[in-house]
Order: sequence, then C-alpha cells, then structure tokens
Amino acid sequence: NAGVTQTPKFQVLKTGQSMTLQCAQDMNHEYMSWYRQDPGMGLRLIHYSVGAGITDQGEVPNGYNVSRSTTEDFPLRLLSAAPSQTSVYFCASSYSKAGELFFGEGSRLTVL
Amino acid sequence: LAKTTQPISMDSYEGQEVNITCSHNNIATNDYITWYQQFPSQGPRFIIQGYKTKVTNEVASLFIPADRKSSTLSLPRVSLSDTAVYYCLVGGGNSGYALNFGKGTSLLVTP
Repeated sequence: NAGVTQTPKFQVLKTGQSMTLQCAQDMNHEYMSWYRQDPGMGLRLIHYSVGAGITDQGEVPNGYNVSRSTTEDFPLRLLSAAPSQTSVYFCASSYSKAGELFFGEGSRLTVL
Repeated sequence: LAKTTQPISMDSYEGQEVNITCSHNNIATNDYITWYQQFPSQGPRFIIQGYKTKVTNEVASLFIPADRKSSTLSLPRVSLSDTAVYYCLVGGGNSGYALNFGKGTSLLVTP
C-alpha cells in the first residue's frame, strides 16, 4: 500500500497563478483533510471531507477550493495564488471520524 | 474546532520521563483525545488515543482525569530521537471531524 500520496512535492508559483495539489489514498478511507503548516503556527485545517461528494470548510478556507468526486482523491485548488499561501501543505486521511490520521509527505509551495 | 492548550516547549535529558499536559476545557461528549508526533519535514504521526482514564501502548501512556478537561502524554525514558513537536487533538465525537492541531509542544531532548 502506498498510503497517502501527495503531488507535487515542490512547486513555485507566481502571484495570480492557479494550481491543484493532488492527494490520493489507497486505504479506502472515507475521511480526508487538508492542512497547511507555517513556521511557528502548527497545522491549520483548510478543508475536509467525510465522504465522496461531501466537503466542508476548516479554519482557513479562503483562497482554496476542494472537491471529492471519488473516495480515493481529494484535490486542493488554489484559485489565484498569493504570497500568503506560501506554506507546506499536508493531506491526511482516516478510516473513521475519530480514527488515526495518516499523512502524506507534504507539498512545499512557494508563491512569488 | 475544539481548542486545546499545550506548553510551547519543553526540555529534557535522555533517560528521563517526560509528561506533556494538554488543556481542553470545551471537550464535547464522545470526543476522543489523540496525540501526534511530528519531525521536521514530515507529516505528523499517531502516538496514542484515549477517551477516559489511562491508555498505554509500546511508546507512551495517556492519562485522562474523570472530567476529561485535560490530558497528559507520558513518554518514558526519552531518547534523542524523541526530539519532535507533539500535538494534542480533541475531536471525532460531538465536535465532529474538524480536528485542530494547534501549535503543539516542541520537545528537545539532550544528552
């Protein structure tokens, strides 16, 4: 099993560009989420999903869009990148609402 | 998002027991308490989870008092490799799935 796979691992964007961070899991987990991590800030929840077709906002959703068309995939879209979105992004999945979170290796995004 | 409060940092010597306490005054009914460990440039990794009283596994113990408004992660005989950030999370019950990691506790273990 690959677990949770994030692509790309590194990305540099210019202000105003759009892009999608991919997240895929092969554990048949219903629950998936996206976090961003900035220095000294811990992890902050962006969006999450409790199943295919169901998404909801977390703590810092502005500037990001998600969809969940399949159980396996949970892409995160940056609509118009801003320097404030420079961060490390982590995708996570779990089998149940209270279950162990499995994280991807992270995607480091720099917006110039 | 259920809010938690932890010390920002802690220091310890190798071989000592480390106890990290987390405050979660607004824990909801049926919420679980879960601790994660994170090394630099890696995603967090599950350590232990509990609902009440005491839970122990091969790497840590988790103590939860009856009122469940706090919890303590206990790491026995830490080593240099335990230097990491530790996060306390509350959720999965009536608080729902939106899990708040907070800023965590940065533990430094020295010889």
